[in-house]
Amino acid sequence: GESVGLHLPTLSVQEGDNSIINCAYSNSASDYFIWYKQESGKGPQFIIDIRSNMDKRQGQRVTVLLNKTVKHLSLQIAATQPGDSAVYFCAEDHSGAGSYQLTFGKGTKLSVIP
Amino acid sequence: NAGVMQNPRHLVRRRGQEARLRCSPMKGHSHVYWYRQLPEEGLKFMVYLQKENIIDESGMPKERFSAEFPKEGPSILRIQQVVRGDSAAYFCASSRGDGPGNTIYFGEGSWLTVV
Repeated sequence: GESVGLHLPTLSVQEGDNSIINCAYSNSASDYFIWYKQESGKGPQFIIDIRSNMDKRQGQRVTVLLNKTVKHLSLQIAATQPGDSAVYFCAEDHSGAGSYQLTFGKGTKLSVIP
Repeated sequence: NAGVMQNPRHLVRRRGQEARLRCSPMKGHSHVYWYRQLPEEGLKFMVYLQKENIIDESGMPKERFSAEFPKEGPSILRIQQVVRGDSAAYFCASSRGDGPGNTIYFGEGSWLTVV
C-alpha cells in the first residue's frame, strides 16, 4: 500500500539493460491500473495501462505485469535509455462508475547510467 | 491537438492571499480532475468536475479550497487565505469520459509557493 516518505526508492540501471519497477497496491477492489512517468518539473505522462482481467500487457519497449493474488504490479522497460530517467508512478482506480479517482503510489526514481 | 493547458506554471503568494489556478482540458474532453502533489510524493486526488457540475470533491479540503468548471472558459481551482502548507504542485487532468478505458491526461502543473 501507500506510505508517505521523504525519500523515493531509487533504481539505477545501465543504459541498454532492462529495468523492472515494482508496485504494491492496497485495494483488492481496484480494477484498473496505470503507469505514469514524471520528469522533473513536468506533469505525469501516461505510459501503459492494464485492467484487472488481464495479467500482462505490452507496449512499445514496456510491459506491465499484474499479479492480483499478491496485489503486485510491475513495469518492465526494455533496453533502457537515458531519456527513460524519471520518477515512475503506479496508479490504481477503484472508484467504480460515476467517478474516476486515481490512487497513486509514492513513486520510484529511475536513473539510467550512460 | 493541444494537451491539457495549465496556468500559471509558477505562482508565489504571501500567506493570507488568494491563489487561482486555471486549466483548459484537451479538446473534446469534458471531464476535469485536480490533483495535488507534495515534494517526493505521489499525486493526491482533490476534485472531479464536468461542465458546471462538481461530481466528486471528496479529496478537497473543506475550507478555503473551491473548484469550478463553468460552461465557458477554463476550470479554476481557487485557494483562499493560503498557508505555507498549501505549497505544492497542482495538476489538472482531463478525459473524454469516466471509468476505466478513458485515459486521463495530465497537464504540466502549476507550482504554488506560499511565502
